[in-house]
Amino acid sequence: AAGVIQSPRHLIKEKRETATLKCYPIPRHDTVYWYQQGPGQDPQFLISFYEKMQSDKGSIPDRFSAQQFSDYHSELNMSSLELGDSALYFCASSRGTMKSSYNEQFFGPGTRLTVL
Amino acid sequence: AQTVTQSQPEMSVQEAETVTLSCTYDTSESDYYLFWYKQPPSRQMILVIRQEAYKQQNATENRFSVNFQKAAKSFSLKISDSQLGDAAMYFCAYREVLGGSEKLVFGKGTKLTVNP
Repeated sequence: AAGVIQSPRHLIKEKRETATLKCYPIPRHDTVYWYQQGPGQDPQFLISFYEKMQSDKGSIPDRFSAQQFSDYHSELNMSSLELGDSALYFCASSRGTMKSSYNEQFFGPGTRLTVL
Repeated sequence: AQTVTQSQPEMSVQEAETVTLSCTYDTSESDYYLFWYKQPPSRQMILVIRQEAYKQQNATENRFSVNFQKAAKSFSLKISDSQLGDAAMYFCAYREVLGGSEKLVFGKGTKLTVNP
């Protein structure tokens, strides 16, 4: 079965540079979530999109922005990178986002970002 | 906001033995979902088991089972007949729903070591 695809898998950047992480959800999934997992930490929710509209926002720095495109893939843009941005960034996808039903979030393999 | 607490940063178990990982959470909702995720060294997030709060029966998936105590807001994971491949970080997670959006709130994790 198709899974969530994230690219690149590894990324090394210098401080103050810009990075773009991409996420391709499972076919027919219309909801995308982004999580950040720092070293030795639990995943923290950043932002989510449903049908190309932002649906929720967590602890996402103003330097970060994201969007979901017409084909439902999503990109997380990170500018003015800091050392503390070094983390594993997960994308997850699900089908629908209704409180009355359960929609499992399927996680991608993550993108490991290292900021030097 | 809901919180998830895992009070055991590390646990160890002998191969073929049974181990229980603890998790407590805080919520004012009456219906919700709880999850246990496994994160092996590959860092992939793997769903182990889920529990819906309105179901009184504890969820079971092969060697993995939960002890869900709704009144106590406790959700422990029992791993029976532990195998070397069970060694990983285990995260307890709560599905938080606000309006039309949802996200996962994770505990800090428990690192499980399986000794041969």
